[in-house]
Amino acid sequence: KAGVTQTPRYLIKTRGQQVTLSCSPISGHRSVSWYQQTPGQGLQFLFEYFSETQRNKGNFPGRFSGRQFSNSRSEMNVSTLELGDSALYLCASRKNPANGYTFGSGTRLTVV
Amino acid sequence: TQLLEQSPQFLSIQEGENLTVYCNSSSVFSSLQWYRQEPGEGPVLLVTVVTGGEVKKLKRLTFQFGDARKDSSLHITAAQPGDTGLYLCAGSLPDAGGTSYGKLTFGQGTILTVHP
Repeated sequence: KAGVTQTPRYLIKTRGQQVTLSCSPISGHRSVSWYQQTPGQGLQFLFEYFSETQRNKGNFPGRFSGRQFSNSRSEMNVSTLELGDSALYLCASRKNPANGYTFGSGTRLTVV
Repeated sequence: TQLLEQSPQFLSIQEGENLTVYCNSSSVFSSLQWYRQEPGEGPVLLVTVVTGGEVKKLKRLTFQFGDARKDSSLHITAAQPGDTGLYLCAGSLPDAGGTSYGKLTFGQGTILTVHP
């Protein structure tokens, strides 16, 4: 059974650029959440999608956005990158609220 | 201020020792999960607890959810080097107008190192 797949695994971008990260959830999982992990702040919730609808959003600036497609795959976009956006971005999926989340291996974003 | 306070932050022990990690909050959670994360990888779910007072065992790991659903603990018996990693507790707040959909609130984590 394939797990949650995130691409790319590593990314280096320059300040001011934008980036798109991709997440393919486990087949049958319709809920996809995104988290940012940094040494200082730990894991922080970005947003959650279910059936192509954003149901919840964390306390991040509008530069952070996302979407979900009809096949449940999700993308997140960060525009006008700042040095502080350097982090491990994690995607997680679950089948229903009674289940725990399955996380992907993450995308390590470095902004220089 | 962290909604979920996890302690200790670091734990370095010898193989065979026992340990307990704590996760405390002033908020009530509808469920609480424990994850283990290794460097360069995403967190892996260990257990989900939903009922106050619930105790779950996973081999040498024992998880407890407080009666008031505000705290939890993870106890490892006879730790092994393979237990080394970052342990994270994460809670789901009761849904309030949809503001908790899909959102896990994480503790800062406990870095456990088990020496052979």
